Amino acid sequence: AQTVTQSQPEMSVQEAETVTLSCTYDTSESDYYLFWYKQPPSRQMILVIRQEAYKQQNATENRFSVNFQKAAKSFSLKISDSQLGDAAMYFCAYRGWGTGNQFYFGTGTSLTVIP
Amino acid sequence: KAGVTQTPRYLIKTRGQQVTLSCSPISGHRSVSWYQQTPGQGLQFLFEYFSETQRNKGNFPGRFSGRQFSNSRSEMNVSTLELGDSALYLCASSLGPTRETEAFFGQGTRLTVV
Repeated sequence: AQTVTQSQPEMSVQEAETVTLSCTYDTSESDYYLFWYKQPPSRQMILVIRQEAYKQQNATENRFSVNFQKAAKSFSLKISDSQLGDAAMYFCAYRGWGTGNQFYFGTGTSLTVIP
Repeated sequence: KAGVTQTPRYLIKTRGQQVTLSCSPISGHRSVSWYQQTPGQGLQFLFEYFSETQRNKGNFPGRFSGRQFSNSRSEMNVSTLELGDSALYLCASSLGPTRETEAFFGQGTRLTVV
């Protein structure tokens, strides 16, 4: 089964600074999607960014970008110009062909933004 | 348009009882998936429904069941509740049952078993 590992249970960043959240995964598939979801205290999972494994270009969404290293099976999230509203749990997730339509989630990283 | 609606938001049940949770997907979405979120196990896949058919099931005991109606609304049922069933249950909806389609999550139902 696919596994997703987030080795940083907690991270903190000063407002306006940059922070990088790490994620590694294990799979034997060659085509899959990777995601970063944000879960604020409201509990609703919100899609931050997604990356298709076949696309070599790293995805970006405004202040959010990823560093996708397929060979290393690494998928980190960089948040630039951090804002107070970025404080949340961040989950890395995998979705592939052989897994049906289900997500495999990491254990999450709790991000604190310090004013 | 309205997002994914899960009801109720909070629920307290006694061990041994059964419970039914409801999920109304975004209008036009026909795929609904359920996840259990606990501090110890994280987010775990329960099952997925598309056009009233269960397409995929996670590794949960038979006490956990679900169904989907013709209007795409879905319910999940847990019978003979155990303390360990206390969790946040999240529902996700998407247009179709493929990994390319974006999944939208509801705010979840917080179930506490006492």
